[in-house]
Amino acid sequence: DQQVKQNSPSLSVQEGRISILNCDYTNSMFDYFLWYKKYPAEGPTFLISISSIKDKNEDGRFTVFLNKSAKHLSLHIVPSQPGDSAVYFCAASTGNQFYFGTGTSLTVIP
Amino acid sequence: DTGVSQDPRHKITKRGQNVTFRCDPISEHNRLYWYRQTLGQGPEFLTYFQNEAQLEKSRLLSDRFSAERPKGSFSTLEIQRTEQGDSAMYLCASSLPTPNYGYTFGSGTRLTVV
Repeated sequence: DQQVKQNSPSLSVQEGRISILNCDYTNSMFDYFLWYKKYPAEGPTFLISISSIKDKNEDGRFTVFLNKSAKHLSLHIVPSQPGDSAVYFCAASTGNQFYFGTGTSLTVIP
Repeated sequence: DTGVSQDPRHKITKRGQNVTFRCDPISEHNRLYWYRQTLGQGPEFLTYFQNEAQLEKSRLLSDRFSAERPKGSFSTLEIQRTEQGDSAMYLCASSLPTPNYGYTFGSGTRLTVV
């Protein structure tokens, strides 16, 4: 039972353009959402978070949008840089544990 | 403090053997989590500790799996009578009491059961 879904396994974007990564969830009780970035042979690294009381959170080039009615969140990276190439996981929580999506592999082409 | 450390990085074992992994969290983090990640999937929750108390266990954690955090610092995850289906990356993470600020993950232990 996959409560958090990332339907795009991969995404390629030209350097300098916007990257948009999408995530859908099924549990309306989720109240906190995070994005993680993962490089090969490393553990996931926390990127940005958003609480269910907000619909947008921004940190530098990274912005997360939350649409509670659609149970959808997205991560925007502007401008995309080659160093952003990694696997991105979204995660959602109701309390003590997080449920992760299956990840989207982003490739930023120089 | 250089973050969350996991040991070993890689482990190859024969089916039926027991294995033990260690996790050293960030020192001021009193919550410690174990996740498992298989190819093409996101991390799946196994269990978590607050200090030395194991407060939650996933149904993924069969009787062959046991985790301890005896002094509220490092933790061990033991798998008894390993099976090929146990092959995965085992990730440890730690956090402050309010995990909503995000976990800090270790680099993981990759287990291969042959």
